[in-house]
Amino acid sequence: ILNVEQSPQSLHVQEGDSTNFTCSFPSSNFYALHWYRWETAKSPEALFVMTLNGDEKKKGRISATLNTKEGYSYLYIKGSQPEDSATYLCAFVNNFNKFYFGSGTKLNVKP
Amino acid sequence: DAGVTQSPTHLIKTRGQQVTLRCSPKSGHDTVSWYQQALGQGPQFIFQYYEEEERQRGNFPDRFSGHQFPNYSSELNVNALLLGDSALYLCASSLQGAGSNQPQHFGDGTRLSIL
Repeated sequence: ILNVEQSPQSLHVQEGDSTNFTCSFPSSNFYALHWYRWETAKSPEALFVMTLNGDEKKKGRISATLNTKEGYSYLYIKGSQPEDSATYLCAFVNNFNKFYFGSGTKLNVKP
Repeated sequence: DAGVTQSPTHLIKTRGQQVTLRCSPKSGHDTVSWYQQALGQGPQFIFQYYEEEERQRGNFPDRFSGHQFPNYSSELNVNALLLGDSALYLCASSLQGAGSNQPQHFGDGTRLSIL
Protein backbone atom coordinates (compact mmCIF):
# COMPACT_ATOMS: atom_id res chain seq x y z
CA ILE A 1 0.00 0.00 0.00
CA LEU A 2 1.45 3.36 -1.02
CA ASN A 3 0.84 6.16 1.50
CA VAL A 4 0.72 9.85 0.77
CA GLU A 5 0.33 11.72 4.02
CA GLN A 6 -0.70 15.32 4.43
CA SER A 7 -0.43 17.29 7.64
CA PRO A 8 -2.06 18.90 9.38
CA GLN A 9 -5.49 17.55 8.55
CA SER A 10 -7.01 20.99 9.16
CA LEU A 11 -5.75 24.43 9.96
CA HIS A 12 -7.41 27.61 11.23
CA VAL A 13 -5.50 30.87 10.79
CA GLN A 14 -6.25 34.57 10.97
CA GLU A 15 -6.23 36.78 7.90
CA GLY A 16 -2.69 37.98 7.29
CA ASP A 17 -1.01 34.97 8.91
CA SER A 18 1.47 32.96 6.89
CA THR A 19 1.09 29.21 6.98
CA ASN A 20 2.54 26.03 5.59
CA PHE A 21 1.63 22.38 5.33
CA THR A 22 3.34 19.16 4.39
CA CYS A 23 2.93 16.35 1.91
CA SER A 24 4.94 13.16 2.54
CA PHE A 25 5.35 10.52 -0.13
CA PRO A 26 7.55 7.53 -1.04
CA SER A 27 11.05 8.46 -2.13
CA SER A 28 11.21 5.63 -4.69
CA ASN A 29 9.73 5.49 -8.19
CA PHE A 30 9.10 9.23 -8.10
CA TYR A 31 7.90 10.90 -11.29
CA ALA A 32 6.03 14.07 -10.24
CA LEU A 33 4.30 15.79 -7.34
CA HIS A 34 1.10 17.77 -7.94
CA TRP A 35 -0.62 20.31 -5.68
CA TYR A 36 -4.30 21.17 -6.09
CA ARG A 37 -6.64 23.62 -4.37
CA TRP A 38 -10.22 22.48 -3.88
CA GLU A 39 -12.73 25.10 -2.87
CA THR A 40 -16.15 24.06 -1.61
CA ALA A 41 -18.69 23.53 -4.40
CA LYS A 42 -15.98 23.79 -7.06
CA SER A 43 -13.68 21.34 -8.80
CA PRO A 44 -10.01 20.86 -7.82
CA GLU A 45 -7.73 23.42 -9.45
CA ALA A 46 -4.08 22.74 -10.25
CA LEU A 47 -1.55 24.87 -8.40
CA PHE A 48 1.83 23.31 -9.16
CA VAL A 49 3.45 20.31 -10.78
CA MET A 50 6.99 19.61 -9.64
CA THR A 51 9.34 16.99 -11.00
CA LEU A 52 12.91 17.76 -9.93
CA ASN A 53 14.47 17.48 -6.49
CA GLY A 54 14.92 20.98 -5.13
CA ASP A 55 12.18 22.43 -7.33
CA GLU A 56 10.56 25.59 -6.03
CA LYS A 57 7.41 26.99 -7.61
CA LYS A 58 5.56 30.21 -6.88
CA LYS A 59 2.17 31.60 -7.87
CA GLY A 60 1.36 34.90 -6.20
CA ARG A 61 1.37 34.39 -2.43
CA ILE A 62 1.56 30.60 -2.71
CA SER A 63 4.79 28.70 -3.14
CA ALA A 64 5.93 25.09 -2.92
CA THR A 65 9.17 23.19 -2.47
CA LEU A 66 10.10 19.61 -3.27
CA ASN A 67 12.54 17.14 -1.73
CA THR A 68 12.35 13.84 -3.60
CA LYS A 69 15.24 12.22 -1.73
CA GLU A 70 13.50 12.41 1.61
CA GLY A 71 9.98 12.33 0.17
CA TYR A 72 8.30 15.56 1.16
CA SER A 73 6.89 18.77 -0.27
CA TYR A 74 5.89 21.94 1.54
CA LEU A 75 3.19 24.37 0.48
CA TYR A 76 3.47 27.90 1.83
CA ILE A 77 0.85 30.65 1.84
CA LYS A 78 2.08 34.12 2.70
CA GLY A 79 -0.38 36.60 4.20
CA SER A 80 -3.42 34.29 4.11
CA GLN A 81 -6.69 35.76 2.86
CA PRO A 82 -10.23 34.45 3.40
CA GLU A 83 -10.36 33.45 -0.27
CA ASP A 84 -7.48 31.03 0.39
CA SER A 85 -9.88 28.91 2.45
CA ALA A 86 -9.99 25.54 0.71
CA THR A 87 -8.72 22.00 0.91
CA TYR A 88 -5.20 21.63 -0.45
CA LEU A 89 -4.45 18.25 -2.00
CA CYS A 90 -1.12 16.80 -3.05
CA ALA A 91 -0.73 13.89 -5.46
CA PHE A 92 2.33 11.67 -5.89
CA VAL A 93 2.78 10.30 -9.41
CA ASN A 94 4.99 7.24 -9.80
CA ASN A 95 6.98 6.00 -12.77
CA PHE A 96 4.00 3.88 -13.82
CA ASN A 97 1.82 6.97 -14.27
CA LYS A 98 -0.37 6.21 -11.26
CA PHE A 99 -1.66 9.06 -9.13
CA TYR A 100 -1.86 8.77 -5.34
CA PHE A 101 -3.63 11.60 -3.57
CA GLY A 102 -3.32 12.54 0.07
CA SER A 103 -6.42 13.24 2.15
CA GLY A 104 -5.76 16.97 2.01
CA THR A 105 -5.25 19.84 4.43
CA LYS A 106 -8.38 21.89 5.05
CA LEU A 107 -7.47 25.54 5.54
CA ASN A 108 -9.86 28.04 7.09
CA VAL A 109 -8.79 31.69 7.07
CA LYS A 110 -10.77 33.88 9.43
CA PRO A 111 -11.23 37.56 8.51
CA ASP B 1 -13.02 26.88 -24.17
CA ALA B 2 -15.09 24.23 -22.40
CA GLY B 3 -13.61 22.66 -19.33
CA VAL B 4 -14.21 19.12 -18.10
CA THR B 5 -17.89 18.29 -17.94
CA GLN B 6 -19.44 15.37 -16.08
CA SER B 7 -22.95 13.99 -16.09
CA PRO B 8 -25.11 13.46 -14.23
CA THR B 9 -24.33 15.68 -11.23
CA HIS B 10 -26.25 13.49 -8.80
CA LEU B 11 -27.49 9.94 -8.99
CA ILE B 12 -29.32 7.63 -6.62
CA LYS B 13 -29.21 3.87 -7.15
CA THR B 14 -29.97 0.76 -5.13
CA ARG B 15 -27.69 -2.12 -4.29
CA GLY B 16 -27.11 -4.54 -7.15
CA GLN B 17 -27.89 -2.03 -9.88
CA GLN B 18 -25.52 -0.81 -12.54
CA VAL B 19 -24.52 2.78 -13.26
CA THR B 20 -22.80 4.70 -16.06
CA LEU B 21 -21.11 8.04 -15.48
CA ARG B 22 -19.95 10.24 -18.32
CA CYS B 23 -17.11 12.70 -18.83
CA SER B 24 -16.10 15.07 -21.61
CA PRO B 25 -12.50 16.24 -21.35
CA LYS B 26 -11.23 19.77 -21.66
CA SER B 27 -10.85 20.82 -25.27
CA GLY B 28 -7.51 19.64 -26.62
CA HIS B 29 -6.98 16.97 -23.94
CA ASP B 30 -6.65 13.33 -24.90
CA THR B 31 -6.36 11.54 -21.55
CA VAL B 32 -9.07 10.92 -19.00
CA SER B 33 -8.62 9.68 -15.44
CA TRP B 34 -11.35 8.65 -13.00
CA TYR B 35 -11.24 8.98 -9.24
CA GLN B 36 -13.48 7.96 -6.36
CA GLN B 37 -13.62 10.23 -3.37
CA ALA B 38 -15.26 8.88 -0.24
CA LEU B 39 -16.15 11.24 2.59
CA GLY B 40 -13.09 12.42 4.50
CA GLN B 41 -10.60 10.88 2.10
CA GLY B 42 -8.56 12.07 -0.83
CA PRO B 43 -9.44 11.03 -4.38
CA GLN B 44 -8.59 7.37 -5.08
CA PHE B 45 -7.33 6.60 -8.58
CA ILE B 46 -9.61 4.18 -10.44
CA PHE B 47 -8.09 4.11 -13.92
CA GLN B 48 -6.78 6.21 -16.79
CA TYR B 49 -7.69 6.06 -20.47
CA TYR B 50 -5.55 7.16 -23.39
CA GLU B 51 -6.00 6.32 -27.06
CA GLU B 52 -9.18 4.44 -26.16
CA GLU B 53 -7.30 2.01 -23.93
CA GLU B 54 -7.00 1.60 -20.20
CA ARG B 55 -3.39 2.50 -19.46
CA GLN B 56 -3.25 2.33 -15.69
CA ARG B 57 -5.55 0.98 -13.04
CA GLY B 58 -5.80 1.52 -9.32
CA ASN B 59 -6.86 -0.99 -6.69
CA PHE B 60 -10.50 -1.34 -7.74
CA PRO B 61 -12.40 -4.55 -8.51
CA ASP B 62 -13.49 -5.60 -11.99
CA ARG B 63 -16.98 -4.26 -11.23
CA PHE B 64 -15.46 -0.92 -12.21
CA SER B 65 -14.91 -0.66 -15.94
CA GLY B 66 -14.56 2.13 -18.41
CA HIS B 67 -14.39 3.18 -21.97
CA GLN B 68 -12.92 6.01 -24.00
CA PHE B 69 -14.43 7.07 -27.29
CA PRO B 70 -12.68 8.42 -30.40
CA ASN B 71 -13.65 11.97 -29.38
CA TYR B 72 -11.75 11.37 -26.08
CA SER B 73 -14.89 11.39 -23.94
CA SER B 74 -15.15 8.62 -21.40
CA GLU B 75 -17.58 6.52 -19.41
CA LEU B 76 -17.20 4.87 -16.03
CA ASN B 77 -19.39 1.82 -15.45
CA VAL B 78 -19.96 0.20 -12.09
CA ASN B 79 -21.82 -3.11 -11.86
CA ALA B 80 -23.45 -4.83 -8.87
CA LEU B 81 -23.44 -1.64 -6.82
CA LEU B 82 -22.59 -1.88 -3.14
CA LEU B 83 -23.37 0.56 -0.36
CA GLY B 84 -19.65 1.30 -0.18
CA ASP B 85 -19.69 2.63 -3.74
CA SER B 86 -21.44 5.75 -2.50
CA ALA B 87 -18.97 8.54 -3.21
CA LEU B 88 -18.11 11.51 -5.36
CA TYR B 89 -16.71 10.36 -8.71
CA LEU B 90 -14.31 12.80 -10.30
CA CYS B 91 -13.10 12.87 -13.87
CA ALA B 92 -9.87 14.62 -14.80
CA SER B 93 -8.36 15.26 -18.21
CA SER B 94 -4.85 16.03 -19.29
CA LEU B 95 -2.59 16.07 -22.31
CA GLN B 96 -0.79 12.76 -22.16
CA GLY B 97 1.73 13.51 -24.82
CA ALA B 98 3.56 15.58 -22.22
CA GLY B 99 3.34 12.88 -19.57
CA SER B 100 2.03 13.10 -16.02
CA ASN B 101 4.09 16.19 -15.36
CA GLN B 102 1.15 18.13 -16.78
CA PRO B 103 -1.62 19.28 -14.43
CA GLN B 104 -4.96 17.53 -14.48
CA HIS B 105 -8.16 19.47 -15.04
CA PHE B 106 -11.07 18.22 -12.99
CA GLY B 107 -14.79 18.21 -13.52
CA ASP B 108 -17.29 19.01 -10.79
CA GLY B 109 -17.93 15.33 -10.15
CA THR B 110 -20.93 13.02 -9.96
CA ARG B 111 -22.34 12.37 -6.50
CA LEU B 112 -23.48 8.73 -6.42
CA SER B 113 -25.65 7.54 -3.54
CA ILE B 114 -26.48 3.87 -3.07
CA LEU B 115 -29.56 3.00 -1.02
